[in-house]
Amino acid sequence: QVQLQESGPGLVKPSQTLSLTCTVSGGSMSSGGYYWSWIRQPAGKGLEWIGRIYTSGSTKYNPSLQSRVSISVDTSRNRFSLRLTSVTAADTAVYYCARDRNSGWHSEWFGPWGQGTLVTVSS
Amino acid sequence: EIVLTQSPGTLSLSPGERATLSCRASQIYSSNYLAWYQQKPGQAPRLLIYGASRRATGIPDRFSGSGSGTDFTLTISRLEPEDFAVYYCQQYETFGQGTKVEIK
Repeated sequence: QVQLQESGPGLVKPSQTLSLTCTVSGGSMSSGGYYWSWIRQPAGKGLEWIGRIYTSGSTKYNPSLQSRVSISVDTSRNRFSLRLTSVTAADTAVYYCARDRNSGWHSEWFGPWGQGTLVTVSS
Repeated sequence: EIVLTQSPGTLSLSPGERATLSCRASQIYSSNYLAWYQQKPGQAPRLLIYGASRRATGIPDRFSGSGSGTDFTLTISRLEPEDFAVYYCQQYETFGQGTKVEIK
């Protein structure tokens, strides 16, 4: 059974870079043709898709974040990572990683999800 | 850009009652891309339904999904205490704003 776990700093200063890693266990990222996504949720608000990566390294990002986001993958360690630059208080949220069943163009569904990690942007 | 509108915002019901949640898309897309999630406080969302009507692994059969075109419905036939939560629909990379199912 595939499980995902986010890790990274819980506090980031404004204008700095947020970096998170998602480690996948219970199965290889390279099997099943899945993509791998990051999704965030500000406190008390809804879900916002950030971006995704395939094990080939192919990526797609939310246009609203595209200029600041990058996602990379390390298949040898079965993990993928998120970098979000020039953060502000508006980037404070719980960040989730999730397996992404994808047609190659769009996400069909996300599951399972990691437990989430709260990242606070504050000086 | 897809906009998903969920209604109602909050649904107040008692255990054992039927819950009907709506998700309306701004444009017609394939129902293959409509999914529903359940989120409890402090937890990650859990996939319930995909392809508009297919239950994910391990999801009880009191949960069912239906719809096509721009209108989709999640039905919980008889609410159990553990079903009180927030429910989100998703199409492509867009999520609805959620419906909270609370105990009346």
